[in-house]
Amino acid sequence: QQQVKQSPQSLIVQKGGISIINCAYENTAFDYFPWYQQFPGKGPALLIAIRPDVSEKKEGRFTISFNKSAKQFSLHIMDSQPGDSATYFCAASSGNTPLVFGKGTRLSVIA
Amino acid sequence: GAGVSQSPRYKVTKRGQDVALRCDPISGHVSLYWYRQALGQGPEFLTYFNYEAQQDKSGLPNDRFSAERPEGSISTLTIQRTEQRDSAMYRCASSPSSRPQGVPYFGPGTRLTVL
Repeated sequence: QQQVKQSPQSLIVQKGGISIINCAYENTAFDYFPWYQQFPGKGPALLIAIRPDVSEKKEGRFTISFNKSAKQFSLHIMDSQPGDSATYFCAASSGNTPLVFGKGTRLSVIA
Repeated sequence: GAGVSQSPRYKVTKRGQDVALRCDPISGHVSLYWYRQALGQGPEFLTYFNYEAQQDKSGLPNDRFSAERPEGSISTLTIQRTEQRDSAMYRCASSPSSRPQGVPYFGPGTRLTVL
């Protein structure tokens, strides 16, 4: 049973547009929700993370929106750039369990 | 400073052989994690250590898989009697926190191919 469901599987966005990736979870014990960015041939790298005591967190062009009642969270990339083209993974964990990851979204930003 | 390093980067082996994958974490990092990542999938948790103690091995698929971190630094993931289904990218990660929720920094991975 997949603990974190991520969509879409792939996404194509025009340069300057907004990229939106969604994740849903079932385990209400989860209290930490990071997003990872992975470039080809590299390991995943932490991009931004949120805890459920806030509904939104923004770092530069990247924003996480969190909906606790719906058990959903999403990543928004504003003014998307070709350099943002990568695979993005959402993840979740509780206080005593390691991260569980979504299946990933392959983002392509085209000029 | 140096990041997490893994060796070998690529390993091709024949079915039935044993393989040992090495992880050298970031210096001073307390926790060390092993994940497996199939093509087109997210990382799947295998096991993790705090210092030399294995805290959780619930993700190891079966008893052919084992891991150790004897001195609380370098770790080895061993797969005995490899099978074709073991083919995947094996990623190591380390974290400065002892909490399993600590942010892991991932290494480049070892691509294992079992023929």
